[in-house]
Amino acid sequence: DQQVKQNSPSLSVQEGRISILNCDYTNSMFDYFLWYKKYPAEGPTFLISISSIKDKNEDGRFTVFLNKSAKHLSLHIVPSQPGDSAVYFCAAKLRSGAGSYQLTFGKGTKLSVIP
Amino acid sequence: ETGVTQSPTHLIKTRGQQVTLRCSSQSGHNTVSWYQQALGQGPQFIFQYYREEENGRGNFPPRFSGLQFPNYSSELNVNALELDDSALYLCASSLGGVGNYGYTFGSGTRLTVV
Repeated sequence: DQQVKQNSPSLSVQEGRISILNCDYTNSMFDYFLWYKKYPAEGPTFLISISSIKDKNEDGRFTVFLNKSAKHLSLHIVPSQPGDSAVYFCAAKLRSGAGSYQLTFGKGTKLSVIP
Repeated sequence: ETGVTQSPTHLIKTRGQQVTLRCSSQSGHNTVSWYQQALGQGPQFIFQYYREEENGRGNFPPRFSGLQFPNYSSELNVNALELDDSALYLCASSLGGVGNYGYTFGSGTRLTVV
């Protein structure tokens, strides 16, 4: 049972345009949502997060939107740059024990920004 | 400030063997988590260690075990390796749990079981 879903395995966008990456989840107990970026041969790096009580968080070119009623979040990158080409993972945070949290990841979306 | 380092970077083992993967956490971080990323999948939570004790575990069998040392470094041990254990194993460190800024991940160990 996949609790975090990224339904688009890949996305191609022209440089300068907006990239929109989508993510759906099923578990209402998730309290934070995070986006990670991963380049080949590197570990995922944290990009931006949003609390489940917020509907928008912005950091420079990156904005995450959360629609709690639809259990949907999206990452907007404006303007897209060739260096943004990477695999983007959506992740959701859940308490898994006393003082312990775990992240549940989607399968990722490979973003290609074309110069 | 050093990041998370993992060793080895690549490893080939035979089915049925045992393997130990190592991780040095980022300076100042006291919590270590391990994730398994199979090909084409997102990382899956294996377990988390805090103050040298396992305090959270995902849906992995007992042949996956770990240790955390007083300097917060960690080991992941997998016994009786199976072909499906072939994956990228990611170590992640944080201060007191994943927090709202996520973990700092290492580059991973690529394990191939033949």
